[in-house]
Amino acid sequence: QQQVKQSPQSLIVQKGGISIINCAYENTAFDYFPWYQQFPGKGPALLIAIRPDVSEKKEGRFTISFNKSAKQFSLHIMDSQPGDSATYFCAASKYTDKLIFGTGTRLQVFP
Amino acid sequence: DGGITQSPKYLFRKEGQNVTLSCEQNLNHDAMYWYRQDPGQGLRLIYYSQIVNDFQKGDIAEGYSVSREKKESFPLTVTSAQKNPTAFYLCASSMGPTGGGNQPQHFGDGTRLSIL
Repeated sequence: QQQVKQSPQSLIVQKGGISIINCAYENTAFDYFPWYQQFPGKGPALLIAIRPDVSEKKEGRFTISFNKSAKQFSLHIMDSQPGDSATYFCAASKYTDKLIFGTGTRLQVFP
Repeated sequence: DGGITQSPKYLFRKEGQNVTLSCEQNLNHDAMYWYRQDPGQGLRLIYYSQIVNDFQKGDIAEGYSVSREKKESFPLTVTSAQKNPTAFYLCASSMGPTGGGNQPQHFGDGTRLSIL
């Protein structure tokens, strides 16, 4: 019940396309859903986060869509660029508890 | 410039040897965390500390030990009991409970540990 399942494991997108990464969770007590971006040899950095009282949050080209009834949330990257090539992790937590991370998606954007 | 510093960047361990990974933060954060990252397995929590002189085991604490004597420091020791220590180790910090719930975690750039 503590797992966060992330898919796909890897994703190849052409420049200008839309990248979509999906996550699913079981624990309905989770109330915080961040996405992290990690470049090779670096630590993850917070990209965008959402709470379950909203269905969508947009920051620039990055959008989180949240479906509370389905217990799913997804990251959409619009107009994907080669510089977006990285590993993306979804995560979930409840209030002050520890973060539970998904297994990561390696995104490659080709020119 | 505030952040988290992990050292060394690369570390090699001989069989039967304990090694210590350093993590220092100047963000004035109460909470600190250690994660292990293996290909295809995401980030797994080893230990975390929400206040000085207190820490809790995460999901994969066996073979590891930590201390939290100072707010800014949270070193991780990989002991000889950890039979498969080769991995990328990440340290993170957050404001913790004093900042209210669901504070973002800030990560260092990791230490890559290999067995000789």
